[in-house]
Amino acid sequence: NAGVTQTPKFRILKIGQSMTLQCTQDMNHNYMYWYRQDPGMGLKLIYYSVGAGITDKGEVPNGYNVSRSTTEDFPLRLELAAPSQTSVYFCASSRHPAVGTGELFFGEGSRLTVL
Amino acid sequence: GENVEQHPSTLSVQEGDSAVIKCTYSDSASNYFPWYKQELGKGPQLIIDIRSNVGEKKDQRIAVTLNKTAKHFSLHITETQPEDSAVYFCAALRGDSSYKLIFGSGTRLLVRP
Repeated sequence: NAGVTQTPKFRILKIGQSMTLQCTQDMNHNYMYWYRQDPGMGLKLIYYSVGAGITDKGEVPNGYNVSRSTTEDFPLRLELAAPSQTSVYFCASSRHPAVGTGELFFGEGSRLTVL
Repeated sequence: GENVEQHPSTLSVQEGDSAVIKCTYSDSASNYFPWYKQELGKGPQLIIDIRSNVGEKKDQRIAVTLNKTAKHFSLHITETQPEDSAVYFCAALRGDSSYKLIFGSGTRLLVRP
């Protein structure tokens, strides 16, 4: 059981370039999330989705876009990369967060550097 | 929106001692409070959680307490071991349809052998 898989693990971008971080989960979870983690800081929610076709903004959505065409996949797109987007990005998934344990299952992270 | 503050940012304890990490939240509508452990180079993993209808929950050496009136909750680790060394995050979730899990800034715990 792979859980949550993120690709790529590492990427260096030039300012103004675009890229997509891929995330897929095989647990049939409806809820998926993208967080960013800056050094010495907590996890900031970028976007989340409660099911296929539904997405919503988190705490820090500016500069990012997401889509959710299937239950399994939740890609995060950076359109015009800026140095402020240098961070470690985590994708996560869960069952309904208000039911049961509400546990988020995280991927191993994608380290992005914008130069 | 919800804001979660976490203290201390770093904590160093001797092996066998106890460690306590505290969090406060701002949104009184929050009703779910998990704690995550993040080891180096990995994603966070849930270690314990508590819902607002419970004041305390224990799981072996780990316990979480919740004071809804004061809007704060704490993680207690007893008999610490070197493998407890990691970054710990608290979080809070509103009970409405937003489903936004908001994290604290993290505590780096070092257990000295």
